[in-house]
Amino acid sequence: QSALTQPASVSGSPGQSITISCTGTSSDVGAYTYVSWYQQYPGKVPKLMIFEVSNRPSGVSNRFSGSRSGNTASLTISGLQAEDEADYYCCSYASGRTWVFGGGTKLTVL
Amino acid sequence: EVQLVQSGPEVKKPGESLMISCEGSEDSFTHYWIGWVRQMPGKGLEWMGIIYPSDSDTRYSPSFQGQVTISADKSINTAYLQWSSLTASDSGIYYCARAVGARGSTLDYWGQGTLVTVSS
Repeated sequence: QSALTQPASVSGSPGQSITISCTGTSSDVGAYTYVSWYQQYPGKVPKLMIFEVSNRPSGVSNRFSGSRSGNTASLTISGLQAEDEADYYCCSYASGRTWVFGGGTKLTVL
Repeated sequence: EVQLVQSGPEVKKPGESLMISCEGSEDSFTHYWIGWVRQMPGKGLEWMGIIYPSDSDTRYSPSFQGQVTISADKSINTAYLQWSSLTASDSGIYYCARAVGARGSTLDYWGQGTLVTVSS
């Protein structure tokens, strides 16, 4: 069970949109609509941003959206703001009630 | 309000045993799975395993199977993560989180994390 593949870093300027990809296999991302995304600031607890591919929890800005195509899930942040600078992790259900995280992506707001 | 409160930081020597805890309100434990996640220093999140406290049904990531033991005591709404013999590579922050939704695929509430330091 290998970690999902995310880019190590992405960057964008305020107001722009960025997309973070999360590539798995036909046994995890491609098999289930159970992909979630988490935001983590340095030294802080991870926070749920997207669940079941494209759903936003209450209180999460609608600038955050999720999607999936084949074995790749994506997190898009529109109208980039300085406060969005953080690490982002995807997570997918795999099988037998096991899960796998991506390696994480550091988002830098230029 | 859902709260998961984890036990405090630990400093241990290699070879020692350790159990850390995660206590939740009844809302957290009665109908939900509780997952454990590791974050090694400067590294990403790793899914370790999950338990359903009501019946102690437990699943482990292959990477952690046999390395740790996850348990729970539903009478006191507490889940545990246990090591029988620590190594330096067990150092890190360990989070518990409530797993909800289909297949328990969403970690919606997280504990504050427990820092484990293993050093001789």
